[in-house]
Amino acid sequence: AQSVTQPDARVTVSEGASLQLRCKYSYSGTPYLFWYVQYQRQGLQLLLKYYSGDPVVQGVNGFEAEFSKSDSSFHLRKASVHWSDSAVYFCAANSGTYQRFGTGTKLQVVP
Amino acid sequence: ETAVFQTPNYHVTQVGNEVSFNCKQTLGHDTMYWYKQDSKKLLKIMFSYNNKQLIVNETVPRRFSPQSSDKAHLNLRIKSVEPEDSAVYLCASRNWGGAREQYFGPGTRLTVL
Repeated sequence: AQSVTQPDARVTVSEGASLQLRCKYSYSGTPYLFWYVQYQRQGLQLLLKYYSGDPVVQGVNGFEAEFSKSDSSFHLRKASVHWSDSAVYFCAANSGTYQRFGTGTKLQVVP
Repeated sequence: ETAVFQTPNYHVTQVGNEVSFNCKQTLGHDTMYWYKQDSKKLLKIMFSYNNKQLIVNETVPRRFSPQSSDKAHLNLRIKSVEPEDSAVYLCASRNWGGAREQYFGPGTRLTVL
């Protein structure tokens, strides 16, 4: 069955530290892949997307993600986090009618 | 910059009442969705409308019904709300034939007493 898995429900990092949020997908073939961010009391906003080509894609606010076909993964990274990055991050995949979302990772950036 | 608008922002009601939530997008998209987001932030798709045709209905309770007047509007009606309907309802849109990313509204938070 198709699925998107975010194994970490919560991640806490210090401000200025690097970040990786994990995402694994289970699809036959390669779906379209996305990362969204949801700030408190807001809707989801697109951070970045991958369709094909260069496996490292750049997004907004210094985020990037790396696609790995061999690992069926699409991990999100940021070199140096800011307190304003505290939010819930969703990985999503789409191979047809609708998107499947992961369960989300809540990121807390501490001083 | 908001391009998917939802009203109201919040709604508090009692069990058994009927509620209606509105969603409008100004992106020119032809596909719209309703999602339910629970207290654990889990997203569940409820409905999808493409050019006013229902194309996905993920076995939601019959008291929920989508209503669309044109491709820019997709409303959600809940007839006789239950306590488990308390959640945030998110509206989203996309172009069916184009890029598959979705654009979300800010959500409507429903509390059922």
